[in-house]
Amino acid sequence: ETGVTQTPRHLVMGMTNKKSLKCEQHLGHNAMYWYKQSAKKPLELMFVYNFKEQTENNSVPSRFSPECPNSSHLFLHLHTLQPEDSALYLCASSQDRTSGRTQYFGPGTRLLVL
Amino acid sequence: KQEVTQIPAALSVPEGENLVLNCSFTDSAIYNLQWFRQDPGKGLTSLLLIQSSQREQTSGRLNASLDKSSGRSTLYIAASQPGDSATYLCAVGLNDYKLSFGAGTTVTVRA
Repeated sequence: ETGVTQTPRHLVMGMTNKKSLKCEQHLGHNAMYWYKQSAKKPLELMFVYNFKEQTENNSVPSRFSPECPNSSHLFLHLHTLQPEDSALYLCASSQDRTSGRTQYFGPGTRLLVL
Repeated sequence: KQEVTQIPAALSVPEGENLVLNCSFTDSAIYNLQWFRQDPGKGLTSLLLIQSSQREQTSGRLNASLDKSSGRSTLYIAASQPGDSATYLCAVGLNDYKLSFGAGTTVTVRA
């Protein structure tokens, strides 16, 4: 266990649904990240939060909406998704954004959009 | 834009053989380089982190080298075991927090 948990682990949703992914870290870190991993493609950074402030939005469509209420929790709110959004969504945390230390990853949420 | 390539995409070896995994990147101005392991249905686990000023890092049976001038890193796994079967990801640090990942090499170690 890396100290980063994600729920749910699997999610199937229709294009008109609204759902949320949750990430929680128990490591006392201050930076949290959302990544997208599509089949046979490299991980893509989506959002970065440092001390609860969003510091990076990597040109992510507005149908993905992140929320970071505190340094331990990170959410990804989903609405009106497209089938091409089906992927593994990974959350990660690190000491802080400027430490240059390794990131610790959660197990991911496998999302299927029908 | 930094591009990270891992070749081959898949590798199958008999148990006991040494593994050599390659990673190449296009821009030598990197902050650091990390190797991760990903098991099916699970997240990533950090294996080794090499700072840009370092040439290699070792941990147990794992050794990673870094040659910035040629844009290459190699992960060596000695005396492979079936438990080493996983996907290995190379990630180049663009700055102190942003990583650019390769697509990975999926390794199968046959008993």
